Amino acid sequence: LAKTTQPISMDSYEGQEVNITCSHNNIATNDYITWYQQFPSQGPRFIIQGYKTKVTNEVASLFIPADRKSSTLSLPRVSLSDTAVYYCLVGEGAAGNKLTFGGGTRVLVKP
Amino acid sequence: GAVVSQHPSRVICKSGTSVKIECRSLDFQATTMFWYRQFPKKSLMLMATSNEGSKATYEQGVEKDKFLINHASLTLSTLTVTSAHPEDSSFYICSASGMSGRPGHEQYFGPGTRLTVT
Repeated sequence: LAKTTQPISMDSYEGQEVNITCSHNNIATNDYITWYQQFPSQGPRFIIQGYKTKVTNEVASLFIPADRKSSTLSLPRVSLSDTAVYYCLVGEGAAGNKLTFGGGTRVLVKP
Repeated sequence: GAVVSQHPSRVICKSGTSVKIECRSLDFQATTMFWYRQFPKKSLMLMATSNEGSKATYEQGVEKDKFLINHASLTLSTLTVTSAHPEDSSFYICSASGMSGRPGHEQYFGPGTRLTVT
């Protein structure tokens, strides 16, 4: 399983865009990149998943360069409720394959 | 769609007793379910992977006789912590995957169960 590296923490302010970059130098051909959000005492929540280029949904965008050795989660116009831990995971693109969680990035949104 | 529930959400038990935690996929069939534990301010640690109708695969260092996992149907997996001790106190989270038509390896997580052993 490809190892991921993320910043430990980031601070931001309401209304700003938050970009979290994750390094995954050993990503394999079959690997997808998935981001989860976790609030205290809750299970992680799926945010977005991608394989290459750019993916956008109603809550975030995921930018993946051509070499796929990194990815950037972009949260537009964050609010206080976006304060959470964000995990970047890399794994094979098949249901049932296990995920390995790294340390995650603790994002604090300030008023 | 893709809702996973856990029961109970919180449990306190005495040392030496056993506790069962249920994980259900409410609106899809989960061919695979995963069990994690998480200590305060730490990341999730995978304990085991279970496929419906077969024995669970445990991660290195996880005692299979202490953490019994049963995945009897495509919508239910249970984790039983046997002879619980205070060091087993943790946040236990399950996840499920196998939703048809979805790409990649999305896992849908339950809300977690807070176990406190006194």
